[in-house]
Amino acid sequence: DTGVSQDPRHKITKRGQNVTFRCDPISEHNRLYWYRQTLGQGPEFLTYFQNEAQLEKSRLLSDRFSAERPKGSFSTLEIQRTEQGDSAMYLCASSPRYRGGGDEQFFGPGTRLTVL
Amino acid sequence: AQSVAQPEDQVNVAEGNPLTVKCTYSVSGNPYLFWYVQYPNRGLQFLLKYITGDNLVKGSYGFEAEFNKSQTSFHLKKPSALVSDSALYFCAVGVTGKLIFGQGTTLQVKP
Repeated sequence: DTGVSQDPRHKITKRGQNVTFRCDPISEHNRLYWYRQTLGQGPEFLTYFQNEAQLEKSRLLSDRFSAERPKGSFSTLEIQRTEQGDSAMYLCASSPRYRGGGDEQFFGPGTRLTVL
Repeated sequence: AQSVAQPEDQVNVAEGNPLTVKCTYSVSGNPYLFWYVQYPNRGLQFLLKYITGDNLVKGSYGFEAEFNKSQTSFHLKKPSALVSDSALYFCAVGVTGKLIFGQGTTLQVKP
């Protein structure tokens, strides 16, 4: 399977703990995106990378959230001091070289986070 | 501000009947519009997109969408619904590369 992969698929943690998620994009894609989806809502943009450069961060991304893409390939999203409101599905997507906004994004299966 | 609205939380249709899932948008400049589908426990799957050109866009699984600039709409359509089309559908607008999604519409196709 050469699609976008995410690990883990499910994560249960206690409030206050740190968690880290990994995303492996489609190999030739240089753009990588993180979104968050809560029940009954559409995905909300968090941040995106072009190669290793983080180009935009949403106001949703508080100081407790950090994302990296150190070699322009896989990416990690870390949440420090988790809160119950962080419980959501975290989606990763990738797209080919940017051509003005009309590129479809290819999504991974997501990581479902539950904070107890 | 850029936004997308899907006015119906749920659409019910009988198998074999035509279906329409509605979407309206608000963007400055030329819109890049997308439809995605989400099946339970699976990631979002791309259906189709509008960038420019013909107002009727054809996509995967027999779906099509009609772009209407004057009504700022991009409704998803299919001439004959299948039970297997039952899923959650999202309309989205592309803004500087990222996607802004609507809240989603659940499509239920009954036999």
